[in-house]
Amino acid sequence: DVKVTQSSRYLVKRTGEKVFLECVQDMDHENMFWYRQDPGLGLRLIYFSYDVKMKEKGDIPEGYSVSREKKERFSLILESASTNQTSMYLCASSLWAGGGGYEQYFGPGTRLTVT
Amino acid sequence: QQQVKQSPQSLIVQKGGISIINCAYENTAFDYFPWYQQFPGKGPALLIAIRPDVSEKKEGRFTISFNKSAKQFSLHIMDSQPGDSATYFCAGWADSWGKLQFGAGTQVVVTP
Repeated sequence: DVKVTQSSRYLVKRTGEKVFLECVQDMDHENMFWYRQDPGLGLRLIYFSYDVKMKEKGDIPEGYSVSREKKERFSLILESASTNQTSMYLCASSLWAGGGGYEQYFGPGTRLTVT
Repeated sequence: QQQVKQSPQSLIVQKGGISIINCAYENTAFDYFPWYQQFPGKGPALLIAIRPDVSEKKEGRFTISFNKSAKQFSLHIMDSQPGDSATYFCAGWADSWGKLQFGAGTQVVVTP
């Protein structure tokens, strides 16, 4: 079974802190994604990566950055946390399929609260 | 701007009933439409998916109906069970975008 793990289930940080969310997948997937999930807004893509050291902006990248130094690990960084970044953060991974339409495997999520 | 609009936001159905969730999309380049199911405390998981060259796909009690001309698709859960209580997300994918666009989600509660 594909396993996507996230470093924390719950995290509480203060405004202005630098926050690191870590994600690791064990299936040698090329693609990795970071989403945030908010009630009534569904899942919104923050950043994604198709390869090591490669990153692409998603729909809501402002206030976030990412790092992918190894194929299995994708980190989301909040440079200076703000209260409007309080949310559930979901990491996902998938195989690369040139024809499109592939399954994304999600981690359990990290609920981040910024006070 | 939401590329995929999903309704209703929530749904309560009795055990044995039919749950219906509707989605409408704008991007005609979408060529893959998955549905994801999310239980509380878990990440979403792929439930069923369809491509626009077919009008219906059925897997067990779950059926996707697809209407390409109307740019709409729906999920039907037949004989709904309490274990189906979850949040369901529809999504659209286009190769030119390289990413999934999700709907806002529907919380389904199946009462015993």
